[in-house]
Amino acid sequence: GAVVSQHPSWVICKSGTSVKIECRSLDFQATTMFWYRQFPKQSLMLMATSNEGSKATYEQGVEKDKFLINHASLTLSTLTVTSAHPEDSSFYICSASPSYEQYFGPGTRLTVT
Amino acid sequence: QKEVEQNSGPLSVPEGAIASLNCTYSDRGSQSFFWYRQYSGKSPELIMSIYSNGDKEDGRFTAQLNKASQYVSLLIRDSQPSDSATYLCAVRRDSNYQLIWGAGTKLIIKP
Repeated sequence: GAVVSQHPSWVICKSGTSVKIECRSLDFQATTMFWYRQFPKQSLMLMATSNEGSKATYEQGVEKDKFLINHASLTLSTLTVTSAHPEDSSFYICSASPSYEQYFGPGTRLTVT
Repeated sequence: QKEVEQNSGPLSVPEGAIASLNCTYSDRGSQSFFWYRQYSGKSPELIMSIYSNGDKEDGRFTAQLNKASQYVSLLIRDSQPSDSATYLCAVRRDSNYQLIWGAGTKLIIKP
């Protein structure tokens, strides 16, 4: 149990375009979902916390107008990277929490050219 | 002082030996503690959670928690090369469900 899927697993886009990443909890309902970013050889960095039906809470330094998060249901959250630039290239990982633990999706590797 | 501290390693352990990974945390009110394993290029995978003082065993893994010393550890018995990974310690902030992450310890199991 506790399976989280993420789509796409990798994406290449041109600078200035937008990319949407989906995160789904497949066998449980997740009141809270989290979005992380991880650069090579660095630690996980929490970007935002989203609760179903309410606005996401962004961490300091994360632009909420650039990283749009929608948590429309108890099993789906989406992250849209708007007007992507090469510096947004990273490994984006979502997690979902049914209670105390967080279960991670497999991640999305974004490359902006 | 970081909220959750881990030795970055790498920690090198011979195959078949016990690997011991340590983590300290600063918030004395923390209640939930987790160990995640992350292979290079992959997302973290939950391997142990512990909420009460003492030991919790699951297969080859044992988590140990000492709230008085603000210390949590992970023991891996009979270490295998497939255990080579970065191990992340995480502590839950009960107020908003966020996890506070350590930087991770890189573990290398040598055949």
